[in-house]
Amino acid sequence: AQSVSQHNHHVILSEAASLELGCNYSYGGTVNLFWYVQYPGQHLQLLLKYFSGDPLVKGIKGFEAEFIKSKFSFNLRKPSVQWSDTAEYFCAVSLNTDKLIFGTGTRLQVFP
Amino acid sequence: EAGVVQSPRYKIIEKKQPVAFWCNPISGHNTLYWYRQNLGQGPELLIRYENEEAVDDSQLPKDRFSAERLKGVDSTLKIQPAELGDSAVYLCASSSGAPGANVLTFGAGSRLTVL
Repeated sequence: AQSVSQHNHHVILSEAASLELGCNYSYGGTVNLFWYVQYPGQHLQLLLKYFSGDPLVKGIKGFEAEFIKSKFSFNLRKPSVQWSDTAEYFCAVSLNTDKLIFGTGTRLQVFP
Repeated sequence: EAGVVQSPRYKIIEKKQPVAFWCNPISGHNTLYWYRQNLGQGPELLIRYENEEAVDDSQLPKDRFSAERLKGVDSTLKIQPAELGDSAVYLCASSSGAPGANVLTFGAGSRLTVL
């Protein structure tokens, strides 16, 4: 069965630190890849997406992600986090049926 | 533009009671999804509609869960009777993109607590 793995369940950083959240999926075919973010008390919002083309994707708020097909990975990065980035981050994969399969999420806490 | 609207935001019921959740998708979005998010987990798909047709309900526990989208717009998700394990956040999402290139927009969710 297809699955999405997020190995970092809880990440704690100080402001200005660099961030990388891991995401791996298990599916050998064509996939679309997403990162969603859920800020405290808010709904899930799209951070960035990859459908095709340049494997380095830029998203909102300075986030980026790189699709590495050979590693089945779509890691999320940000060079310098801010306190306002405190949130839960979900990686998701959709197959040709448009069904989104989510990872278990990574809780990021950023301290000033 | 209004986003995906869900109600109620919170619901507390006793086990064996019925409960219903309502969702109004973004205007013009033909595809509607219901997801369930358990504590500490990612959302899991319950059912997907294309207009009024349920095209994927393989993960919907049909013995107690039902859903409808009669006119292809609003949707209702019902649980009857509720069990303790149904405590979760029920998320509605909608999309309008081309097949294989859909981006889902989520509502705020309905948090259910079953006592």
